[in-house]
Amino acid sequence: SQTIHQWPATLVQPVGSPLSLECTVEGTSNPNLYWYRQAAGRGLQLLFYSVGIGQISSEVPQNLSASRPQDRQFILSSKKLLLSDSGFYLCAWSHLGQGRADTQYFGPGTRLTVL
Amino acid sequence: GQQVMQIPQYQHVQEGEDFTTYCNSSTTLSNIQWYKQRPGGHPVFLIQLVKSGEVKKQKRLTFQFGEAKKNSSLHITATQTTDVGTYFCAAPTSGTYKYIFGTGTRLKVLA
Repeated sequence: SQTIHQWPATLVQPVGSPLSLECTVEGTSNPNLYWYRQAAGRGLQLLFYSVGIGQISSEVPQNLSASRPQDRQFILSSKKLLLSDSGFYLCAWSHLGQGRADTQYFGPGTRLTVL
Repeated sequence: GQQVMQIPQYQHVQEGEDFTTYCNSSTTLSNIQWYKQRPGGHPVFLIQLVKSGEVKKQKRLTFQFGEAKKNSSLHITATQTTDVGTYFCAAPTSGTYKYIFGTGTRLKVLA
């Protein structure tokens, strides 16, 4: 069966510090991978998605970046965090469809607080 | 751009009462999905609707896809405390792997 891991589960970082969040998927190959951010009590904002190694699509211009160094690894980074980067970061995967969306499976998330 | 709105934003019900959330898209959809997020948890897939006018049931949950494929609803009969959480609809953007999630409806069930 497929499993998605995210770490760390919680993180408290000072403004201006770097960030690296990691997501890995097990039990499937060539998944679509997604990073979402959820502010407290709000909806899901798509940040990045990837359909293959090294292929990243950015949805929202900001100080975040994403990379996919391996098929089942997706990394979210920032060189300098802002207060507004606080939130719940969710990684998700779906099967590689024929140019169409499919069911998404979410990881447990990382709760980031920037002070 | 494509927008997906959900109403209501919040709903408090007494245990045993029914609950309905509505999802409306600005464009025609190929399909629509529903997810549930428990407090402090991550979204979990519930169901996908594909056909115009489709109705699917999961125990006390009834999902409908509108005839014009621009709206959908989730109805819970006789709510229980385990139904607490936020319910999101999600719509795919045509020809891409992207999803647009609705604004969500947060359900609170009072025992």
